Amino acid sequence: DADVTQTPRNRITKTGKRIMLECSQTKGHDRMYWYRQDPGLGLRLIYYSFDVKDINKGEISDGYSVSRQAQAKFSLSLESAIPNQTALYFCATSDRGGTGADTQYFGPGTRLTVL
Amino acid sequence: EDKVVQSPLSLVVHEGDTVTLNCSYEVTNFRSLLWYKQEKKAPTFLFMLTSSGIEKKSGRLSSILDKKELFSILNITATQTGDSAVYLCAVDTGTASKLTFGTGTRLQVTL
Repeated sequence: DADVTQTPRNRITKTGKRIMLECSQTKGHDRMYWYRQDPGLGLRLIYYSFDVKDINKGEISDGYSVSRQAQAKFSLSLESAIPNQTALYFCATSDRGGTGADTQYFGPGTRLTVL
Repeated sequence: EDKVVQSPLSLVVHEGDTVTLNCSYEVTNFRSLLWYKQEKKAPTFLFMLTSSGIEKKSGRLSSILDKKELFSILNITATQTGDSAVYLCAVDTGTASKLTFGTGTRLQVTL
């Protein structure tokens, strides 16, 4: 079984619709992240969470919101989707490394298309 | 603004060749540098480098970090078609463990 799972894997929606992308992990990690990937721009951080009560904005949080329902679950919502939110979305997890340096593990990605 | 730059952007080699991928960075605070391999799905972790001059090795892949000159290289020897992928470099700036990614190097290995 995959350690980090994302649902749905693919989604096509229309402008203005509300969309939720879900992420679950069985690694027991405290930290979870949402990224989007666009061609030529690499991965950019949307939101991250250090634990259930700690949610932080990343580089490009406008137009997105998140919910950390449990240690293992971190959801990303687009309240009113727009076409420039068409992208590949990745969830990632990490643990507090003893050396202070973390390694992030990625889910399989959700390909979202907003028409 | 933190910046990670990878070169070349893309590369085509023949099976058996050796390739070197470059990653340079300018960040306000450095904690570690990570390399990932991305095929048609999620990035998979390859290496994490925190100290200068110590080579990390895994099979035909190796990587080294130079913290004075602010760069890292990823070497792949005896390339195989299965090495074809986008290789991503990312720097952990220690700010809440956020990673700043480069745009990647697309490697294609042909027969």
